[in-house]
This record gives sequence, structure tokens and C-alpha cells, in this order.
Amino acid sequence: QKEVEQNSGPLSVPEGAIASLNCTYSDRVSQSFFWYRQYSGKSPELIMSIYSNGDKEDGRFTAQLNKASQYVSLLIRDSQPSDSATYLCAVENRDDKIIFGKGTRLHILP
Amino acid sequence: DVKVTQSSRYLVKRTGEKVFLECVQDMDHENMFWYRQDPGLGLRLIYFSYDVKMKEKGDIPEGYSVSREKKERFSLILESASTNQTSMYLCASRLAGGIETQYFGPGTRLLVL
Repeated sequence: QKEVEQNSGPLSVPEGAIASLNCTYSDRVSQSFFWYRQYSGKSPELIMSIYSNGDKEDGRFTAQLNKASQYVSLLIRDSQPSDSATYLCAVENRDDKIIFGKGTRLHILP
Repeated sequence: DVKVTQSSRYLVKRTGEKVFLECVQDMDHENMFWYRQDPGLGLRLIYFSYDVKMKEKGDIPEGYSVSREKKERFSLILESASTNQTSMYLCASRLAGGIETQYFGPGTRLLVL
């Protein structure tokens, strides 16, 4: 089983709708979880971090964590064309290393 | 604000050339990393360093070496560049022992002809 798994997409969402990005991880003792956004040709940029079960909101972004199910998600409300990018899920494993998923390509349809 | 810089945004080299990619961070981070990123393969860790003069192999170290002579600087070296090393190279740094994540530099797109 891969350590961090994401659907590669592309995920197409109409402008103004909610985009939902999902990620599962294999290491049960992981405590830190991150979402990065990466525009084409650019480097990953941290947009959210979450450490406790539940929801964490920051503007139009909400990260959700369920440690029992080993599942972390990112919701983007009121999706904009500028949200079109690849979103990387990252998890800190038991060795204190950050493990990245391969990313989900998100396409917001104008 | 964390700042990680890389020496070049774009680089074109010939097969067999020795290539140096430099990374500098200004946040006194102990940990530094070199990745390459290719379509469909995601981020792959080449080497990382937990301290000055320390280095550890990542998942794909073959064909690469690194140098960390100063805390703020981490260099990736391609001893003899090959066409299969054409890629986007990303440097990252991270504070040791904390819960913070890694921060990336802008990347170097390397083309080996």
C-alpha cells in the first residue's frame, strides 16, 4: 500500500461550486497533515495544515481530518478559475519525514 | 516568512557535463531536501540533510551527489549529466523537531541534451 494516496484526476468542478479533494494515508501514528497547491511549472505552496481530528477553516479552504479512517480532505468553497492547479496531500510519518501524494489535478470550469 | 531560493530557474546542459544546483534558505532550518518531479511520478526524494556535512540518500540517489558545507546552503551535483536527468528539481527546507512542514524553493527546470 502506498503511504499517501490521492486520485490523480482531473477533477472538473464548475466555477462557484465546492471542490472536494481526498487523501488517504497508511501510517496510523501520523500526526501532521498538509495540503499544497502547485500551479503548472511552479513549486508547491503550502495552503493548509491540520493536526487534530475535525475541520479547520481558512477563508474558502477547509481541511478535514479523520484519523480513525486515516483520511484527510480539502474543500474549496466558491471555486474560482485561479484554483485550477494540482493539489498535493502530505503526511508526516513515524520517522518524522514528510511523505507526499502524487497530487490531484483540479480544473475549475468557467 | 520562509525564503528558499535556487540558483537557476532554467538550465540547459549537454550529456556528460557536471551540473551544480544550489539551494539557499534564510530561516536557519536544519533539514534540507532535494527532489525531482516528473509527470505522473510525483515528487521523488533524491537526498536530504539533517545538518551541516550530513547527508542521507533518498529514494533515487543514483547519478547524484550533494554537499552541505554551510547550514543555509545545500547543493545537488550531477557528476555526468544524462538525458534521463531532464526534470524539474525542487529544493525544500524544514525546521527540525517541530510540527511545521517543508517549504519549497521555486524549482530549477533542467534540460539535458
